[in-house]
Amino acid sequence: SAVISQKPSRDICQRGTSLTIQCQVDSQVTMMFWYRQQPGQSLTLIATANQGSEATYESGFVIDKFPISRPNLTFSTLTVSNMSPEDSSIYLCSVGLGTADNYGYTFGSGTRLTVV
Amino acid sequence: RKEVEQDPGPFNVPEGATVAFNCTYSNSASQSFFWYRQDCRKEPKLLMSVYSSGNEDGRFTAQLNRASQYISLLIRDSKLSDSATYLCVVNTGNTPLVFGKGTRLSVIA
Repeated sequence: SAVISQKPSRDICQRGTSLTIQCQVDSQVTMMFWYRQQPGQSLTLIATANQGSEATYESGFVIDKFPISRPNLTFSTLTVSNMSPEDSSIYLCSVGLGTADNYGYTFGSGTRLTVV
Repeated sequence: RKEVEQDPGPFNVPEGATVAFNCTYSNSASQSFFWYRQDCRKEPKLLMSVYSSGNEDGRFTAQLNRASQYISLLIRDSKLSDSATYLCVVNTGNTPLVFGKGTRLSVIA
């Protein structure tokens, strides 16, 4: 299974600033996914990061707020822009394991973001 | 109706007990099903896939009822180390995984 290195592991940021989260995978993967997990909640998909094309965003998430880069098949970044306290959450990247339909996904260790 | 629903718990059980978690999903086109485990302040990790015929992995048994759109996870002989949140996860095939809110389990000595 793939191993994902995600950083930073945590950060405390001022409102109005931006934070870029990075995920590096130890193998080439077609799709990477970015999730958010707010306190006491389940994981919500933000977007699918596609290599060579724009990310596909889920309802309620927009590119201006969460720009995503996917320069190659092993790396992706998610930026949380113009942050407000409501953005305080855990952000996780994930990739498919084997055949994703049957083997689920593996996750990075997460970025715990606090906006003050 | 939420796509994936779980009893949030918490389930507080003594060591050695058997505990069962249930999950329902709303999309009848769902194709793949999983149970994930998430420890406090950690990322979710795949516990097991759920197959139509049911499957077992040591003390853990997962079952799927497509007609009722229902998934279950049974943990036998609970250990203290089983304490975690268990997430029911569904894949419709066209979109990435959809997560339930999780069921919190505390195994007590």
